[in-house]
Amino acid sequence: NAGVTQTPKFRILKIGQSMTLQCTQDMNHNYMYWYRQDPGMGLKLIYYSVGAGITDKGEVPNGYNVSRSTTEDFPLRLELAAPSQTSVYFCASSAYRGPSEKLFFGSGTQLSVL
Amino acid sequence: QQQVKQSPQSLIVQKGGISIINCAYENTAFDYFPWYQQFPGKGPALLIAIRPDVSEKKEGRFTISFNKSAKQFSLHIMDSQPGDSATYFCAAKINAGNNRKLIWGLGTSLAVNP
Repeated sequence: NAGVTQTPKFRILKIGQSMTLQCTQDMNHNYMYWYRQDPGMGLKLIYYSVGAGITDKGEVPNGYNVSRSTTEDFPLRLELAAPSQTSVYFCASSAYRGPSEKLFFGSGTQLSVL
Repeated sequence: QQQVKQSPQSLIVQKGGISIINCAYENTAFDYFPWYQQFPGKGPALLIAIRPDVSEKKEGRFTISFNKSAKQFSLHIMDSQPGDSATYFCAAKINAGNNRKLIWGLGTSLAVNP
């Protein structure tokens, strides 16, 4: 079982470039999340999805977009990369969004914008 | 009110010692308190979690102590091992209708010396 798979693992972008961070899960989870992690700042929620075709903003959505056309895939799009988007990005999924929700995380994408 | 304050930021413990990480919260609407463990280059993984109706939960060498009146909870790692060296995040979840949020602490970097 692969769990949550993120690609690429590393990427360097120039300011103004665009890219898509890929996330796929094979656990048939309805709920998927994108977080960014900056040193000493914990995890910040960018976007989340409660099922195919349904997405919503998290705490820090500016500069990002998402789509959810299938249960398995939840790509994160950066349209005009800025240095402030240098971070480690984690995708996560869960089967249950209730009181005892367990998140399964991918291994992350380390993004540098120069 | 939505914050979870985690301390210390970093911790060094000798092998065999007890590691203690503390978290405090203000919002009484939080009703689920998980701890996640993150190794370098990996995503966080659920370690142990507690509901506010119990004061302690133990799983192997890991124990959560929960003080509802003080709005504090802590992770205790008994007989700490070098393999426990990781970053630990506490979190707290609100499960009120559509307002289902997981609020993260900023993390504690634990190093266990051999």
